[in-house]
Amino acid sequence: DTEVTQTPKHLVMGMTNKKSLKCEQHMGHRAMYWYKQKAKKPPELMFVYSYEKLSINESVPSRFSPECPNSSLLNLHLHALQPEDSALYLCASSQDRGTINIQYFGAGTRLSVL
Amino acid sequence: QQQVKQSPQSLIVQKGGISIINCAYENTAFDYFPWYQQFPGKGPALLIAIRPDVSEKKEGRFTISFNKSAKQFSLHIMDSQPGDSATYFCAASIETGANNLFFGTGTRLTVIP
Repeated sequence: DTEVTQTPKHLVMGMTNKKSLKCEQHMGHRAMYWYKQKAKKPPELMFVYSYEKLSINESVPSRFSPECPNSSLLNLHLHALQPEDSALYLCASSQDRGTINIQYFGAGTRLSVL
Repeated sequence: QQQVKQSPQSLIVQKGGISIINCAYENTAFDYFPWYQQFPGKGPALLIAIRPDVSEKKEGRFTISFNKSAKQFSLHIMDSQPGDSATYFCAASIETGANNLFFGTGTRLTVIP
């Protein structure tokens, strides 16, 4: 099973709302990632968690707040977003950092900020 | 700056033809080069990958050619099919680094029947 599950598939939120994106994997992977992808662009790395600890934050605004409750779950908390934050948010996981390993992506959450 | 450059931006190929997508990089520390395939509304999926100690890797109709001295690599899709219509991203990463994937800008492939 190489599945990364993301919920919800679609999300519409106003600029004053608070919402969360959820990502789950049961492959025993210890590295998990959040990416943002705009239309016709490659995924842009936002955060990396390694062994449930935040290891990379690519200068993402504080209105995005990641959380890794355990080795299988990754959340992205959203607050006071801007319309330009509308994008496909992708979660990925891999076996570990520091070794060549495959990143498996979820189908993403399509976020629209009104 | 863009660590991995990819061309063309879009490609239209007849069914049965060969699709060729090219990528180039500057950082000689890169040692893992995957290609991802992404269908509309889906996340990227690993298609095929290569390490720089080989010059070619083939899996079915998909072949990666790698030129270490030129710092270039390419994806060849033989006997292209309409089901291959998707966006293809090349990428590069460093084994001993944070395993960050540096993506190319993507190529939108359309295979016409």
